[in-house]
Amino acid sequence: TQLLEQSPQFLSIQEGENLTVYCNSSSVFSSLQWYRQEPGEGPVLLVTVVTGGEVKKLKRLTFQFGDARKDSSLHITAAQPGDTGLYLCAGANTGNQFYFGTGTSLTVIP
Amino acid sequence: DAGVIQSPRHEVTEMGQEVTLRCKPISGHNSLFWYRQTMMRGLELLIYFNNNVPIDDSGMPEDRFSAKMPNASFSTLKIQPSEPRDSAVYFCASSLRGGAGAFFGQGTRLTVV
Repeated sequence: TQLLEQSPQFLSIQEGENLTVYCNSSSVFSSLQWYRQEPGEGPVLLVTVVTGGEVKKLKRLTFQFGDARKDSSLHITAAQPGDTGLYLCAGANTGNQFYFGTGTSLTVIP
Repeated sequence: DAGVIQSPRHEVTEMGQEVTLRCKPISGHNSLFWYRQTMMRGLELLIYFNNNVPIDDSGMPEDRFSAKMPNASFSTLKIQPSEPRDSAVYFCASSLRGGAGAFFGQGTRLTVV
């Protein structure tokens, strides 16, 4: 059972454009993580958000945790080809189990 | 730190054979996870260990799948007998504490023919 739905599923944009990826759930999580996965590799942790309403920035990436701790968004400013990859959100419960979203495949065209 | 180490990276086996996947978590991490990734189903949690004890194995698809963690630095995922529908990339991940995020190995690509 997928507890987290991501949208869009696929995204293809030109270099320099902005984009937002959404991660939604009906469940409340104690924390939420975002990962990026490149072909042939495992997911790599980008950020963890813990507090409802929390906003974290990582260079051109901005992550927000919803007030109710059920949803999150990832915004990328001025996308670059190096941002290409599969973006995954994951919610953690109090038992330290991580449930992954359906994923968003991003392609940034030079 | 070398990160989470999985072996083998690739495994091709015939239907009915036993397959054993191995994982060495990051030293000091007390949680270990086995995931399976396919195009159709995405990343699925198979089993989760905390302090070497299986906490939740509800994601293990069938009795053909079993996992062990004999000590803090080693875990195995075994499939016996293997079937073509088991073909997928299997990931091991470890974590230090609740909610801190998981660190993944490079995965084992399993092909059952």
